Amino acid sequence: DAGITQSPRHKVTETGTPVTLRCHQTENHRYMYWYRQDPGHGLRLIHYSYGVKDTDKGEVSDGYSVSRSKTEDFLLTLESATSSQTSVYFCAISESDREYFGPGTRLTVT
Amino acid sequence: KQEVTQIPAALSVPEGENLVLNCSFTDSAIYNLQWFRQDPGKGLTSLLLIQSSQREQTSGRLNASLDKSSGRSTLYIAASQPGDSATYLCAVATGSQGNLIFGKGTKLSVKP
Repeated sequence: DAGITQSPRHKVTETGTPVTLRCHQTENHRYMYWYRQDPGHGLRLIHYSYGVKDTDKGEVSDGYSVSRSKTEDFLLTLESATSSQTSVYFCAISESDREYFGPGTRLTVT
Repeated sequence: KQEVTQIPAALSVPEGENLVLNCSFTDSAIYNLQWFRQDPGKGLTSLLLIQSSQREQTSGRLNASLDKSSGRSTLYIAASQPGDSATYLCAVATGSQGNLIFGKGTKLSVKP
């Protein structure tokens, strides 16, 4: 599983509240990614990181921010959660061009 | 804009059959193509990676081919088993930074 953990695994929050999801890896991989998975849309890239403090936007970055202050942690923040951000969020790392995914976080915004 | 399509969306076969899952992409300028498996409520499991310079990769009963010029990849599963039941996802990377673009998947059901 490439040593990837995500927390929390499940979260229910209210519209307008801030939410932070954490991805943690234990193997010092340079590249880390956040995707969301929705019925009818499949998986889409939100943001990615190519090193400490080096991040860039993906296809669906509006409403999300990220931070990476340590190699092992990649945080995804919803500054003010909306119902359209209800989704399953996956973190991934890249090793030798192959991507490995974490177990996912199911987020419900009510 | 790169788009990835997987056909069929769902497939049901009896145990023991050989089967082919299809993936097509609109822009042939890809860096690599990856196949994943996803079980219900779980994360993605990497199955095969094909670099843009390669034509195929094999792992056990799985064989993936890549035809970049026609924008197609196939995943061949030999002697299917009920444990192969899952959703299979195809994804292309357009550069070395990763940033996968996914198809919507083929949901496979193998009946005993």
